[in-house]
Amino acid sequence: AQRVTQPEKLLSVFKGAPVELKCNYSYSGSPELFWYVQYSRQRLQLLLRHISRESIKGFTADLNKGETSFHLKKPFAQEEDSAMYYCALGGSGGYQKVTFGTGTKLQVIP
Amino acid sequence: DSGVTQTPKHLITATGQRVTLRCSPRSGDLSVYWYQQSLDQGLQFLIQYYNGEERAKGNILERFSAQQFPDLHSELNLSSLELGDSALYFCASSQSSYNEQFFGPGTRLTVL
Repeated sequence: AQRVTQPEKLLSVFKGAPVELKCNYSYSGSPELFWYVQYSRQRLQLLLRHISRESIKGFTADLNKGETSFHLKKPFAQEEDSAMYYCALGGSGGYQKVTFGTGTKLQVIP
Repeated sequence: DSGVTQTPKHLITATGQRVTLRCSPRSGDLSVYWYQQSLDQGLQFLIQYYNGEERAKGNILERFSAQQFPDLHSELNLSSLELGDSALYFCASSQSSYNEQFFGPGTRLTVL
């Protein structure tokens, strides 16, 4: 079964502190993983995906197949990072359903 | 603006009724996805269409159906509505299954 787990519903950090949003997945094939973000009163939008291996807005995420994790990290949190973050899993090699985690609300305290 | 549009924005109806939600994808996008977001369930994938054909199915109830038309817009039909169907329904589009999904603003359905 395809499953994504985001264990934290809410993560509060102080401005300037490191951030790590956890995501674990379960998938038997070759996974494609994404992080989506939803800022207040805005649409859900893609933040980054593992195949592009880029850093967006200071965020990075590394796929760890051994630990089946795709944690989102940022060394220094900014107030504008406050948002809802969703980890998503799709399968590669064809048309596969996309499974989203339940989301983690990141609150950056000034 | 991502370009994905959804109508209506809000819908209030009664149990047992049937409603149709509409989605227009971004220009050039062939894939359309439907999601349901409720407070206790998070974002649930319902169904995906690609160029008019159903491509992937998620946790979509038998009371729900969808289709994608030749002009690529999509409709999600919800029938025999129950209180538990109250949720935000999102549509997203992408060029293919491998690309980034662009989300619409959602339709908020309230079943009374």
